[in-house]
Amino acid sequence: AQRVTQPEKLLSVFKGAPVELKCNYSYSGSPELFWYVQYSRQRLQLLLRHISRESIKGFTADLNKGETSFHLKKPFAQEEDSAMYYCALSGLASGSRLTFGEGTQLTVNP
Amino acid sequence: ETGVTQSPTHLIKTRGQQVTLRCSSQSGHNTVSWYQQALGQGPQFIFQYYREEENGRGNFPPRFSGLQFPNYSSELNVNALELDDSALYLCASSPNSRGGEETQYFGPGTRLLVL
Repeated sequence: AQRVTQPEKLLSVFKGAPVELKCNYSYSGSPELFWYVQYSRQRLQLLLRHISRESIKGFTADLNKGETSFHLKKPFAQEEDSAMYYCALSGLASGSRLTFGEGTQLTVNP
Repeated sequence: ETGVTQSPTHLIKTRGQQVTLRCSSQSGHNTVSWYQQALGQGPQFIFQYYREEENGRGNFPPRFSGLQFPNYSSELNVNALELDDSALYLCASSPNSRGGEETQYFGPGTRLLVL
């Protein structure tokens, strides 16, 4: 069975501080990992995905297969980063269905 | 390019009733997935349609059913509504379904309240 765990429901940091949102997964095979973000009163949207290896809005995420983790990081948080963040997984064994974690609400304080 | 749209935005039903939710996929996308998001939870996969056929189903009972039309729009039908069906229902479209790598683009959701 595939599973995504985000251990922190709430995370609060100050502007300019580093931020790390944790994500751990379990999956038999080679997963594709995603981070989705939902800003206030907006729809769920893709932030970044493992296969792209991009940095989006200053965020990066590295897939660590040994630790089965895909933590999201940003060196200097901005107030506009305040949102709900969801880690998600898909893979060939499960088609393109996404399995989501429960989400982490990030608040960046001024 | 038009994004994913859903209708209605919200509705209220009573227990035992039936409901139909609608989704128009993004232009050029032939795959639609439906998710249920209960309050405080992440979205849970209900099922997916690829070129008008069901292409995978999550752990939901048969009273959750769906359709995809030739224009790739889709419906989610829920019969015999229960209180626990109250949730945000999300539709997502993607270019194709034969791998696990396609990005899914989400609609704004339909919020269903069952009384």
